[in-house]
Amino acid sequence: AQSVSQHNHHVILSEAASLELGCNYSYGGTVNLFWYVQYPGQHLQLLLKYFSGDPLVKGIKGFEAEFIKSKFSFNLRKPSVQWSDTAEYFCAARSGAGSYQLTFGKGTKLSVIP
Amino acid sequence: DAGVTQSPTHLIKTRGQQVTLRCSPKSGHDTVSWYQQALGQGPQFIFQYYEEEERQRGNFPDRFSGHQFPNYSSELNVNALLLGDSALYLCASSGLAGVTGELFFGEGSRLTVL
Repeated sequence: AQSVSQHNHHVILSEAASLELGCNYSYGGTVNLFWYVQYPGQHLQLLLKYFSGDPLVKGIKGFEAEFIKSKFSFNLRKPSVQWSDTAEYFCAARSGAGSYQLTFGKGTKLSVIP
Repeated sequence: DAGVTQSPTHLIKTRGQQVTLRCSPKSGHDTVSWYQQALGQGPQFIFQYYEEEERQRGNFPDRFSGHQFPNYSSELNVNALLLGDSALYLCASSGLAGVTGELFFGEGSRLTVL
């Protein structure tokens, strides 16, 4: 079965530290990849997405993710986190072959300490 | 511009009862997806509606059914409730027939089954 794995359940960082959240997927073939974020008290919202082309994708608020096909990975990065980045981050994947179903990972809770 | 709205926000039911959850998509969106999010888990795809028909379904039993109306709003019905149905139910809408995979989520309906 298709699945998405997120390596870290909870990450705690100090402000200005660099961030990398791991995500691996098990899809074969073409895949669309997403990172969604849920800030405290808010709904899930799209951070960035990859469909094709440049494997380095830039999203909102200075986030970026790199698609490495050989490693089935789509890790999220940010060079310097802020307190306002405290949130839960979900990686999601969808088969590129006409599927509309997104499969989500379990999420990583990020806490940024001022 | 109203985003995705869901009702009710919270509800409590007992085992064996039936529940109906409602969703109004973001203005201009024509596709509605429903996800179940259990505590500590990522959202799980239940099904997607487009043009008033169920277009794709996840691994959920027939107790879960839905409907999409001509104004694109949608309902999720769950019959014969089980304790394990306790979860946050998320509605997500998308435009362009859902091709882009970008989902706009509502705040969710939290269902507790006693």
